[in-house]
Amino acid sequence: GQQVMQIPQYQHVQEGEDFTTYCNSSTTLSNIQWYKQRPGGHPVFLIQLVKSGEVKKQKRLTFQFGEAKKNSSLHITATQTTDVGTYFCAGRVRYAGGTSYGKLTFGQGTILTVHP
Amino acid sequence: NAGVTQTPKFQVLKTGQSMTLQCAQDMNHEYMSWYRQDPGMGLRLIHYSVGAGITDQGEVPNGYNVSRSTTEDFPLRLLSAAPSQTSVYFCASTTGLHTEAFFGQGTRLTVV
Repeated sequence: GQQVMQIPQYQHVQEGEDFTTYCNSSTTLSNIQWYKQRPGGHPVFLIQLVKSGEVKKQKRLTFQFGEAKKNSSLHITATQTTDVGTYFCAGRVRYAGGTSYGKLTFGQGTILTVHP
Repeated sequence: NAGVTQTPKFQVLKTGQSMTLQCAQDMNHEYMSWYRQDPGMGLRLIHYSVGAGITDQGEVPNGYNVSRSTTEDFPLRLLSAAPSQTSVYFCASTTGLHTEAFFGQGTRLTVV
């Protein structure tokens, strides 16, 4: 089954409220990436975290990578209607019998709706 | 720059038919992947390639074949379409393990 779990599946917020989505892996990840998919569109890369405990910011977005490199979070401060979409985390995991961390595995995604 | 190009954008198949989804990238990326996206399931990896002539299975490979004869192209073949293969398919490419993935626009496939 899927080895990268993401919660919540849905989040409805009022414009101006904060939003957080969480990502957890059953195995250690070499890195974690975050993507945004607008409705009807394709996933677009936001950021990558590599180091244990790393924190990165992009304007109103804050990304964290856990100390054990098994979990991550994305926090949006003061959401805007332009933040609407699905946010995915993605990590490189080793499948059973595999020999490399080459396969990028996505979480289920969190669908964010922002009400004006 | 074209980036990652997928064709067709939409397709309707009858159960049992076969078809090939095309994916091409012009960025000289070694790594290419196919994902399917279903509601509540996120993006699930179907097949993967680390270079021309090298492919590997992902999480949900059954019913799909791939080949990688060139760096640029990574077609996905549905051998005998089933309604369970109704989905949105995305092709992605990346230069390496620690770089971003670039996605195509997607192919929306319906099997009736």
